[in-house]
Amino acid sequence: NAGVTQTPKFQVLKTGQSMTLQCAQDMNHEYMSWYRQDPGMGLRLIHYSVGAGITDQGEVPNGYNVSRSTTEDFPLRLLSAAPSQTSVYFCASTADRGNSPLHFGNGTRLTVT
Amino acid sequence: DAKTTQPNSMESNEEEPVHLPCNHSTISGTDYIHWYRQLPSQGPEYVIHGLTSNVNNRMASLAIAEDRKSSTLILHRATLRDAAVYYCILRWYSGGGADGLTFGKGTHLIIQP
Repeated sequence: NAGVTQTPKFQVLKTGQSMTLQCAQDMNHEYMSWYRQDPGMGLRLIHYSVGAGITDQGEVPNGYNVSRSTTEDFPLRLLSAAPSQTSVYFCASTADRGNSPLHFGNGTRLTVT
Repeated sequence: DAKTTQPNSMESNEEEPVHLPCNHSTISGTDYIHWYRQLPSQGPEYVIHGLTSNVNNRMASLAIAEDRKSSTLILHRATLRDAAVYYCILRWYSGGGADGLTFGKGTHLIIQP
């Protein structure tokens, strides 16, 4: 049982480049979300999805794009990378809004130079 | 904004119990209280959650105040491996939006040998 899988683990980008962070879960969870975590900070919600075809913005959505074409996958796209997007990114999934745990991936460490 | 308030940091000694407090004075009747912890360089992991009654599992106990405006995560016998950032969040069972996915900065728990 893999849980939540994030790829890649590490990535270095130049300013202006675009890329997609992958997130996949094998638990048939409806709810998925993306967070970023800066040094010494808590988790900040970027985007979330309550099911295939449905996405919405979190606290810090600017510069990021998401889509949810399947239940399993929730990729996060950086449209034009900026140094301010240097961070660790976590993906999470859960079966429902309240009575089930959030399951997190191991994160992607992104550096934008 | 996160709906919970936690101390920035706490210190405890190894092999002693640890009580981590969380205030959530605006909690609604359908909010579940969740606790997660994040070990250094890892993604957050689920610890425990509850609605009204106290809860126990192999990792910890959750004590919920009678008015539900505060809760306490109890680690019965702390080890060095319990040193982590602990997050208390409220998750809506019947609500919508991103509030049930929003984390604060958590409590940095330091365990002294």
